[in-house]
Amino acid sequence: NAGVTQTPKFQVLKTGQSMTLQCAQDMNHEYMSWYRQDPGMGLRLIHYSVGAGITDQGEVPNGYNVSRSTTEDFPLRLLSAAPSQTSVYFCASSYSRGWSGGTDTQYFGPGTRLTVL
Amino acid sequence: GQQVMQIPQYQHVQEGEDFTTYCNSSTTLSNIQWYKQRPGGHPVFLIQLVKSGEVKKQKRLTFQFGEAKKNSSLHITATQTTDVGTYFCAGRSNDYKLSFGAGTTVTVRA
Repeated sequence: NAGVTQTPKFQVLKTGQSMTLQCAQDMNHEYMSWYRQDPGMGLRLIHYSVGAGITDQGEVPNGYNVSRSTTEDFPLRLLSAAPSQTSVYFCASSYSRGWSGGTDTQYFGPGTRLTVL
Repeated sequence: GQQVMQIPQYQHVQEGEDFTTYCNSSTTLSNIQWYKQRPGGHPVFLIQLVKSGEVKKQKRLTFQFGEAKKNSSLHITATQTTDVGTYFCAGRSNDYKLSFGAGTTVTVRA
């Protein structure tokens, strides 16, 4: 299993440009999420999905869109990049969201380091 | 909304010494998870605590979940250079939201 993969690893954008961060998992996990990590602020949830065709907003959703057409893929789109979106982005997946009593361990991808100039 | 506070933000430890990092939630949690992130890496799951008062050990790491299920701690004994990194707690609330603390970044003096 490759686990959770993310592309690209590094990206530099100019203000106003758009792009898509790719995330895929091969563990057949229903739950996937996107986080951004900024110094001193931990991991903040951007968007999440509880299954194909179902997405919802997290703590900091503004400026980002997501879709979930398959169980495996969960891309994150930056609509019009701003310097405030300079961050490290992590995609994560888990077997459940905890309601079934099963493990809800988050498996993180390697991250995308994004700089917006 | 739910907040998870983690202290200290930084921990500078002499090799061989012990230290503890603490995690406190504003609301009762259904479970708490701990992750470790090495410099330049991604968070990796360490452990999950579910029961009130639960204590789990992984070699030199001891994890505790408070009786009220609102706080947790991670205690590392005989710190080694391999312990360098940032340790995050993440609390799962009863409405299934998972909130991460800001992390404790650990550096070790040899």
